[in-house]
Amino acid sequence: EVVLTQSPGTLSLSPGDRATLSCRASQSISNAFLAWYQQKPGQAPRLLMYGATSRATGIPDRFSVSGSGTDFTLTISRLEPEDFAVYYCQQYGGSPKYTFGQGTKLEI
Amino acid sequence: QVQLQQWGAGLLKPSETLSLTCAVSGGSLSGYHWSWLRQPPGKGLEWVGEISHSGATSHNPSLKSRVTLSVDTSKNQFSLRLISVTAADTAVYYCARGDYSEFYYYGLDVWGQGTTVTVSS
Repeated sequence: EVVLTQSPGTLSLSPGDRATLSCRASQSISNAFLAWYQQKPGQAPRLLMYGATSRATGIPDRFSVSGSGTDFTLTISRLEPEDFAVYYCQQYGGSPKYTFGQGTKLEI
Repeated sequence: QVQLQQWGAGLLKPSETLSLTCAVSGGSLSGYHWSWLRQPPGKGLEWVGEISHSGATSHNPSLKSRVTLSVDTSKNQFSLRLISVTAADTAVYYCARGDYSEFYYYGLDVWGQGTTVTVSS
């Protein structure tokens, strides 16, 4: 099983700051099979990023991803108030077919 | 715009069967993979299982043989049954649409609104 470990658990920043969220895999995975989601309280997760560098529909370009092998990063270049939420990385293709990191809470 | 609307019983007793259905509107089941996921209170996301429009299924081994997935193409909907529930199955359950190929994964891009399922005696 591919285990995804996200860090930090909680990230405290202010609007306008740059956020860097980490996702480490227990074994090498292709970034073509990695996705990131944003979840706000009481809502379903929303797809942010998928594949190597693709943004989902409607996602602003302040969101970007990088990394390869076992280390991946979601970067939010300049935080807006609506960006404060929990973020999950997720891989596809292992066993189980989909696994998620435990999440990073981005708080003001 | 594709939307997923899900429903099912929200309160179960231990050993009962969880049944949820997810209806697809604004699009077709064809060409995509349809997943169920769950999120225990205050915790992260766990994938439960997936079914294609043709009925091919896969599920999380952690749930062993308790999961049954089905699809009804005539109604454009798919369903989850989880037998012998316990308190550990208490969670918000989501349905979602997935898309992938042999070489690329496009993510779970459309989600249902979630159904809170509580297992309690």
